[in-house]
Amino acid sequence: GAGVSQTPSNKVTEKGKYVELRCDPISGHTALYWYRQSLGQGPEFLIYFQGTGAADDSGLPNDRFFAVRPEGSVSTLKIQRTERGDSAVYLCASSLRGRTGLAGNPSTDTQYFGPGTRLTVL
Amino acid sequence: GEDVEQSLFLSVREGDSSVINCTYTDSSSTYLYWYKQEPGAGLQLLTYIFSNMDMKQDQRLTVLLNKKDKHLSLRIADTQTGDSAIYFCAESRGGATNKLIFGTGTLLAVQP
Repeated sequence: GAGVSQTPSNKVTEKGKYVELRCDPISGHTALYWYRQSLGQGPEFLIYFQGTGAADDSGLPNDRFFAVRPEGSVSTLKIQRTERGDSAVYLCASSLRGRTGLAGNPSTDTQYFGPGTRLTVL
Repeated sequence: GEDVEQSLFLSVREGDSSVINCTYTDSSSTYLYWYKQEPGAGLQLLTYIFSNMDMKQDQRLTVLLNKKDKHLSLRIADTQTGDSAIYFCAESRGGATNKLIFGTGTLLAVQP
């Protein structure tokens, strides 16, 4: 019954390497979001999943970023050929949305966030 | 544009009221949220307000929304040192994605 969990909590990698960040949403939540928070900024939207499909990936900065959610639960954000500018905290959020209720309903739309993964690219 | 703006810093004394302000740009926003972020922690949902309301009160928190001016505020009564954190406002435009557009955050420092 826990909240959203993310692993690892910290990841240090070298420029050019590949990384995977994992998100475990709240059980039963069909909507899953990835955000990126750079130092001193608010979170910025990356991608949204409804079930297994990426319904909106308009926030992904380039084709080095990719995310999957093969069984409609756990999601993995994948970053290829990491660059120093990718250093940030990557946040995952989930909401009930799509399971019950209509668009614009806070009981289904409210997003609950995980603790984030701090990615440092050296 | 998608800008949501907040003042960067607010300092208050313990026991005083704090007011954190936010302006947003999209009049089609359905819900507006306030999140709290403590050092090294994720975002904690504090409260939200539907865009057709102008006020919501929840214990020590009061949210005021001026839709005409696209201005949102969060008032914390009897501010405590445990309220020290970064506060983010966020707008949700509903629709197919319901992504949140966040402000830059306001650092609230509570002096004992």
